[in-house]
Amino acid sequence: DAGVIQSPRHEVTEMGQEVTLRCKPISGHNSLFWYRQTMMRGLELLIYFNNNVPIDDSGMPEDRFSAKMPNASFSTLKIQPSEPRDSAVYFCASASRAQETQYFGPGTRLLVL
Amino acid sequence: RKEVEQDPGPFNVPEGATVAFNCTYSNSASQSFFWYRQDCRKEPKLLMSVYSSGNEDGRFTAQLNRASQYISLLIRDSKLSDSATYLCVVNMRDSSYKLIFGSGTRLLVRP
Repeated sequence: DAGVIQSPRHEVTEMGQEVTLRCKPISGHNSLFWYRQTMMRGLELLIYFNNNVPIDDSGMPEDRFSAKMPNASFSTLKIQPSEPRDSAVYFCASASRAQETQYFGPGTRLLVL
Repeated sequence: RKEVEQDPGPFNVPEGATVAFNCTYSNSASQSFFWYRQDCRKEPKLLMSVYSSGNEDGRFTAQLNRASQYISLLIRDSKLSDSATYLCVVNMRDSSYKLIFGSGTRLLVRP
């Protein structure tokens, strides 16, 4: 079975550019999570969707970040404009239900110059 | 104070050694507890859940002490392939979906 799929796997961009990260959750999973991992702050939850609806976006750092889930098989995390401090690994995870085991995708390594 | 605290390590041990990691959490309302494993430049993967009575999975034993608010992971007969970062994870009673990750303990198993 395919796991969580993320694209791109690596992204290098310049400050001020728009960045869009993509995620395809495991088929049949109703919960989707976006995380960010840095050396300084570890792994942090950015936003959580249940049945395509954003439930908790309290972890989204600021208005430059936005996330959408137009259907059960696709989600995006957008940063506009990007800044060097956004450099991190962004993980998407999905779960059959919110309380069940979360399965992580391989992550997108973002470097903003 | 961080919600979940771990010794970052690294723990450098020879093959076959027994190694133990501890983790403390600050919120007594924490409901569920897990250990995740993260290999270098890879995603975190669930290693095992931690139950109140303690639980074992092969060479791995997890224990929970609610009174002292700490969780432990014991690895027996360590293998080279156990080299990774071990993340202590809790979630809160009032938001069962929200996992709080510790910063991880790095383990290096040498030949």
